[in-house]
Amino acid sequence: EAGVAQSPRYKIIEKRQSVAFWCNPISGHATLYWYQQILGQGPKLLIQFQNNGVVDDSQLPKDRFSAERLKGVDSTLKIQPAKLEDSAVYLCASSWGTGMISGNTIYFGEGSWLTVV
Amino acid sequence: QKEVEQDPGPLSVPEGAIVSLNCTYSNSAFQYFMWYRQYSRKGPELLMYTYSSGNKEDGRFTAQVDKSSKYISLFIRDSQPSDSATYLCAMSGLDDKIIFGKGTRLHILP
Repeated sequence: EAGVAQSPRYKIIEKRQSVAFWCNPISGHATLYWYQQILGQGPKLLIQFQNNGVVDDSQLPKDRFSAERLKGVDSTLKIQPAKLEDSAVYLCASSWGTGMISGNTIYFGEGSWLTVV
Repeated sequence: QKEVEQDPGPLSVPEGAIVSLNCTYSNSAFQYFMWYRQYSRKGPELLMYTYSSGNKEDGRFTAQVDKSSKYISLFIRDSQPSDSATYLCAMSGLDDKIIFGKGTRLHILP
């Protein structure tokens, strides 16, 4: 079974530039997540989709970050304009459903590493 | 006080030793307790999860939850160099929002 695919793996941009990350979840997974992981920190949820609807975007800096999940499959996360503090790994993850009640397992991709200079 | 506290390490132990990794938390609403392993430049992968208090064993790994003390542990027996990674604890309540610890970097010395 193919895992969560992300691209690009690495990106270096200057502050105030824009960047976009793409994610293809595991086939059949209805729930898709974008996490931000700053070096030395645990992942922090930015946005959660259920099919193509947003479930939780409470921690997404909406003045500069946007995300979409067209047709309930692939997703794109965009940052515009980027700030130095956006340097982090952006992890995409997917799962069958939501919550741990049903033993739901979240599968992570390898991440997209962003450096803002 | 952060919701989830985890010592970042690094923790270095010799091969074959028993490893103990721990987290404390402040939110009594947490019901699900998870341990993720993250290798360098990879995404986290779920190792184990437990519901409420108690122990759970899976091969060389044992997870313990003490809700009265708000303290969880992961034990690794007969540690191997391949166990060298960052171990993240994570927790969620009925709202399904998962809160991760900072992770503990573990080095198993051959």
